[in-house]
Amino acid sequence: KAGVTQTPRYLIKTRGQQVTLSCSPISGHRSVSWYQQTPGQGLQFLFEYFSETQRNKGNFPGRFSGRQFSNSRSEMNVSTLELGDSALYLCASSLTGSGSYNSPLHFGNGTRLTVT
Amino acid sequence: AQSVTQLGSHVSVSEGALVLLRCNYSSSVPPYLFWYVQYPNQGLQLLLKYTSAATLVKGINGFEAEFKKSETSFHLTKPSAHMSDAAEYFCAVFSGNTPLVFGKGTRLSVIA
Repeated sequence: KAGVTQTPRYLIKTRGQQVTLSCSPISGHRSVSWYQQTPGQGLQFLFEYFSETQRNKGNFPGRFSGRQFSNSRSEMNVSTLELGDSALYLCASSLTGSGSYNSPLHFGNGTRLTVT
Repeated sequence: AQSVTQLGSHVSVSEGALVLLRCNYSSSVPPYLFWYVQYPNQGLQLLLKYTSAATLVKGINGFEAEFKKSETSFHLTKPSAHMSDAAEYFCAVFSGNTPLVFGKGTRLSVIA
């Protein structure tokens, strides 16, 4: 079974631009969660989608948004990029959602975003 | 709200020595606890999970963790470190219908 696939692996953008990251979950998984990982803040929850509906949202500004398609693939978008948005963005999928001990998160290898 | 604290951002052990990575949690309801490992340039991989079935949980790669409610701890151990264990380890918690909350991580170095 293929794992969680994130594209692209690396991105370099300029401050003020916008960016879209893509995540394809494990086949059959209906939940997709997004995390931002930085050396200073660690892993911070961005949002979770389940069956195309946003189920949970972290404490990030409105510049960060996401969506999920009917095939469970998900995208996240960051508008008006700031230098502080440079991070590793991780996507994770699960069968029933992050709030279930029987359905742990399976992570992709991430997209490393550098904002210059 | 739940949270986890990982004591020590960096732990260094000799090959063959005991590995002990510390995690303390805070939760107002019985928690579910996890340990994940991250190798360089990769995502996180589940090592083990505590779901109240047993206090001593065995995971992959010879790791295990013990849930101690009285100490609100879920420390990760391995009897004998291998060079391949060098990675970053994350403790995580959730309770109820909430997202998984991660600790800041502990980087494990293994010295030959």
